[in-house]
Amino acid sequence: QSVLTQPPSVSGALGQRVTISCSGSSSNIGAGYDVHWYQQLPGTAPKLLILANSNRPSGVPDRFSGSKSGTSASLAITGLQAEDEADYYCQSYDSRLSGHVVFGGGTKLTVL
Amino acid sequence: QVQLQESGPGLVKPSETLSLTCTVSGASIRSYYWSWIRQPPGKGLEWIGYIHYTGSAKYNPSLKSRVAISVDTPKSQFSLKLSSVTAADTAVYFCARDVRLYDSSGYAYFDYWGQGSLVSVSS
Repeated sequence: QSVLTQPPSVSGALGQRVTISCSGSSSNIGAGYDVHWYQQLPGTAPKLLILANSNRPSGVPDRFSGSKSGTSASLAITGLQAEDEADYYCQSYDSRLSGHVVFGGGTKLTVL
Repeated sequence: QVQLQESGPGLVKPSETLSLTCTVSGASIRSYYWSWIRQPPGKGLEWIGYIHYTGSAKYNPSLKSRVAISVDTPKSQFSLKLSSVTAADTAVYFCARDVRLYDSSGYAYFDYWGQGSLVSVSS
C-alpha cells in the first residue's frame, strides 16, 4: 500500500489529453512538500519528468505539465503520442517516522 | 554526461546479505547526495536510502534495521548492503543522483539513474 495513491491505469487516444492524479495526506503533499513525476518506459530506468510540482527539466516537451493543490497533485499530458505509453510515478516526502521519500504506486498509461 | 552504473551479484541466497555498488562518472560524488531505489518485478518504486560523501546517511524506516549505505569518494562509488534477505527483496535495484538541499530535506528528487540491476533471492 503506497503512501501516495495513483490510479493503476489510464488510457487515451492519440492526440487527446489525459491526467494522472496523485493523492496524499497532511503528512506529505498537504504539508507543503513538493511533488515530482517520473516516466518509466518498459524495461528502462525512470526518467525525471516534472520537478517541484510544475517544472519541466530541460528536454521534456511542454506537452507534459504538473500541478498541485491541497493534498493532491496531477500530471497532464496533451497531444498524446504513442511513445508516451509508459508507467508514471509521483514522488514526494512524508514527515512521519522521521521523514522519508515516498512514491506513488504508479499509473500505466495506454495510448489507444 | 552524468552516468551511474550498478554492479554486483544477480543472485543471493535467503538470509544472506545483498551487496551492490554504484559507480558515478561525469559528476563529482562530493557535490550531491546519492540514493538507492528498488522495484520488485511488476511493482512500484521504493526508496531505500541515501548517502552523502561526508558519510551522512538516512534510510527508509521500513528497511532501516537491515540496510547500510556507504561511500568511497576516491573511487567515486557508493554501495548498498541489505542483510537477512528474503524472496520479498527480489527486485531491480537502481542507484540515482539525489538532489536535495541538506540532510533530511523534504525537498528531494532524482535526476540521473543507473540502468538498474536485477537481484533475485533464491536458494
